[in-house]
Amino acid sequence: QQQVKQSPQSLIVQKGGIPIINCAYENTAFDYFPWYQQFPGKGPALLIAIRPDVSEKKEGRFTISFNKSAKQFSLHIMDSQPGDSATYFCAASALNDMRFGAGTRLTVKP
Amino acid sequence: DAGVIQSPRHEVTEMGQEVTLRCKPISGHNSLFWYRQTMMRGLELLIYFNNNVPIDDSGMPEDRFSAKMPNASFSTLKIQPSEPRDSAVYFCASSPARVRGYTFGSGTRLTVV
Repeated sequence: QQQVKQSPQSLIVQKGGIPIINCAYENTAFDYFPWYQQFPGKGPALLIAIRPDVSEKKEGRFTISFNKSAKQFSLHIMDSQPGDSATYFCAASALNDMRFGAGTRLTVKP
Repeated sequence: DAGVIQSPRHEVTEMGQEVTLRCKPISGHNSLFWYRQTMMRGLELLIYFNNNVPIDDSGMPEDRFSAKMPNASFSTLKIQPSEPRDSAVYFCASSPARVRGYTFGSGTRLTVV
């Protein structure tokens, strides 16, 4: 099922740092790229999403950068906080398909 | 809205026993998904319903797994007989459209011993 490759598997940054999580996809039919945030014991929650007609989208401290030609997209977290410590999943979807990356466990140290 | 509600939150059962997981989607959402999450395989789609009808069950691992959606407000995932390798967190999610705006439940952590 793994058509979306996500890296790194884990990431540790200091408070205030800018963690970057990268994803790459194969299927050019994908037209919607969401990111989910998952805290321990909870289900994934939609964080931010982008469509391929834009190269960047910002919502608060979270930014998605999208490179259609390279079939890559990434999540940047500005001024990261310990409360951002969670597992982050990228995903890609087409009309009848949604694929998730393997997840990145982010730890933000105080 | 209470969101997607799953029960039970935790289930421990012995190998060979039947396990039934339950899900109540968000009212008005016409798509429902069952996912399984493990460290090794990440999030795997098991089955997808649209308007209570199973559309894609290609992710169901084998005949021991079955899912039903008798009405718009309830779905079950059954494993019979259960095996230790079924141990995972099972998530239900719902959406107002096929692949936009998924809302996940809090999951059921299944342990088969």
